[in-house]
Amino acid sequence: AQSVTQLDSQVPVFEEAPVELRCNYSSSVSVYLFWYVQYPNQGLQLLLKYLSGSTLVKGINGFEAEFNKSQTSFHLRKPSVHISDTAEYFCAVRPNTGGFKTIFGAGTRLFVKA
Amino acid sequence: EAGVTQFPSHSVIEKGQTVTLRCDPISGHDNLYWYRRVMGKEIKFLLHFVKESKQDESGMPNNRFLAERTGGTYSTLKVQPAELEDSGVYFCASSQVLAGAVDTQYFGPGTRLTVL
Repeated sequence: AQSVTQLDSQVPVFEEAPVELRCNYSSSVSVYLFWYVQYPNQGLQLLLKYLSGSTLVKGINGFEAEFNKSQTSFHLRKPSVHISDTAEYFCAVRPNTGGFKTIFGAGTRLFVKA
Repeated sequence: EAGVTQFPSHSVIEKGQTVTLRCDPISGHDNLYWYRRVMGKEIKFLLHFVKESKQDESGMPNNRFLAERTGGTYSTLKVQPAELEDSGVYFCASSQVLAGAVDTQYFGPGTRLTVL
């Protein structure tokens, strides 16, 4: 079985400041890792994913995440946030042994203030 | 290209009533998923269709929930009778699997269900 823990439910940050949204996971098998973003009144949108290879993954809108297998973490970072990054962010995993069931964390609300 | 659409966007019903949620996936997507998010908690998997067949329904809470995907196009999720704890946001997602690749799931905006 898998589980995902997003360590912060809310993260307030000023515009142009850096941000890190933390995600830890637990799994008895190897997994693929994902970050999704949900803007108000919209569906979830894929930001980035880690399947294999380089542990630093770059996504859309200037976001990146680093997979750390020993710490079972997949933290999301952006060096300089904009007001438009205000949204809810979800970390998710899926076993890479086949199957399509995705396990999500509880989400982190990012508030970017002017 | 149209994205995943869900109807209705909101539904408020009384305990014991029936509600049917609809999802229209992206055209050509064989995979269709239902998820639910209750009260700001994690998004939980409900079930997965491949075309019209249920591939995995391990996340369905109980037999008050019935999902169908006749003809392998749109899907419906019926809750009958609804209970208070069924309140939440129901998301639908679709994807197309390409050989040797990990599919990207495209999500709809969700249906917010409130059971009073």
